Formats: sequence, C-alpha cells, structure tokens
Amino acid sequence: GAGVSQSPRYKVAKRGQDVALRCDPISGHVSLFWYQQALGQGPEFLTYFQNEAQLDKSGLPSDRFFAERPEGSVSTLKIQRTQQEDSAVYLCASSLVGSYNSPLHFGNGTRLTVT
Amino acid sequence: DQQVKQNSPSLSVQEGRISILNCDYTNSMFDYFLWYKKYPAEGPTFLISISSIKDKNEDGRFTVFLNKSAKHLSLHIVPSQPGDSAVYFCAASLQGAQKLVFGQGTRLTINP
Repeated sequence: GAGVSQSPRYKVAKRGQDVALRCDPISGHVSLFWYQQALGQGPEFLTYFQNEAQLDKSGLPSDRFFAERPEGSVSTLKIQRTQQEDSAVYLCASSLVGSYNSPLHFGNGTRLTVT
Repeated sequence: DQQVKQNSPSLSVQEGRISILNCDYTNSMFDYFLWYKKYPAEGPTFLISISSIKDKNEDGRFTVFLNKSAKHLSLHIVPSQPGDSAVYFCAASLQGAQKLVFGQGTRLTINP
C-alpha cells in the first residue's frame, strides 16, 4: 500500500505569504504528527492528532501556525505571514494506533523556503 | 534544552566492520527509545526500538543497547554495508506523551 504522501514537495514563499502543506497519511492510521526539521537538526515536534482531535499542539512555534484534520484522515498545516525562520522541511508522520511506542511512518516532507 | 543528544555529527566506517552510533539523553522519564534512518530527500524510516525495561534488542545486523544509569544508548550495525550510509537519528518518548524527541543525527558513511 501507499505510504504517507505530502504535497507539495517544495514550496517557495515570499515573506508574509500564507502557505498550506498537505499530508495524506496511510489509510486507517489513527495518529498523525507534524514535525519541523531545520537544516542539520533532528525533527522537532509540532502537533499531534488522534483521528480528528488535535490532542497536543505544544510544539507549534507561534499562533501563525495552524493544523487541522477535519475528517480524521488528510491533514493540512497552515503557516500565516511566513517568516524566514520558517524555512525548514515539514514532515508528516502517521501510526496505526494511538500508542506512544507505535513506530511512526514518515512522509518525504515538504521543503519550505521563505525568501 | 537538548534532551536527546548525538554528539558525533559524522562517522566513517569501512565496509564489513562494525558501526557504533551513540546517543545520550537527559530526561530520566523517557521509557522508550527508537532509531530512525534517513536517506537524502526522504523521510526517516523506523529501524529498531527498545523499551526501558530491556538493555538490549537485536534485529538482524542491528542491535540497540540501553544503559539507563548512564542515560546512554547505542546502535551497533554489523557487518556494515554500503547501503547503510545514511543519517541516523535516535529518538525518545515517554508514556503518556505521544511525541518523539529526536537527536541531531549522525551521518554514517560506509567506505568500500
């Protein structure tokens, strides 16, 4: 079956623009995560959904970041008024069950460059 | 506050030899640890994990060791193969919190 799919693969935005990043998790996966990976660093947690419920958004860096998963499947990460420091790879991951030790399946990420 | 640290940014090993990647953590509440492997332009893929109730877990060429008193874990790959060349991330989680905390990664290069 298909893995986690993210689109677009690359996004260039001018500072101040709004962007929307899409994630299609593996079908049937309950849990969905967003991570941000800066150059040369490990992924950093942004937010977590179990089905359509956003259970943890403690990693979102500012109120310009917003994530949703309205039907418990596809998720969108929206960044408003992008800033240069938002430039990073945004990774989406899903897991079958809502268990903390269930391995995550990552997508290939969206590389966002803010100019 | 870097709770999971991989102090070696890179490691070079000859094909056929053992590769040892290290990871230290500071939060004693972490109770589950994972290793992920990442190729360029791809997302991380799960490799192996270990619960804090164990000190070793083995899967084929990959073995993870956990030393709770030292808050240290290591990944051993033997024998190393060219396809093992990638960036390796260790990650930790704690019960009740779904998120993973990742280290900065170690780039492993296997030389023929």
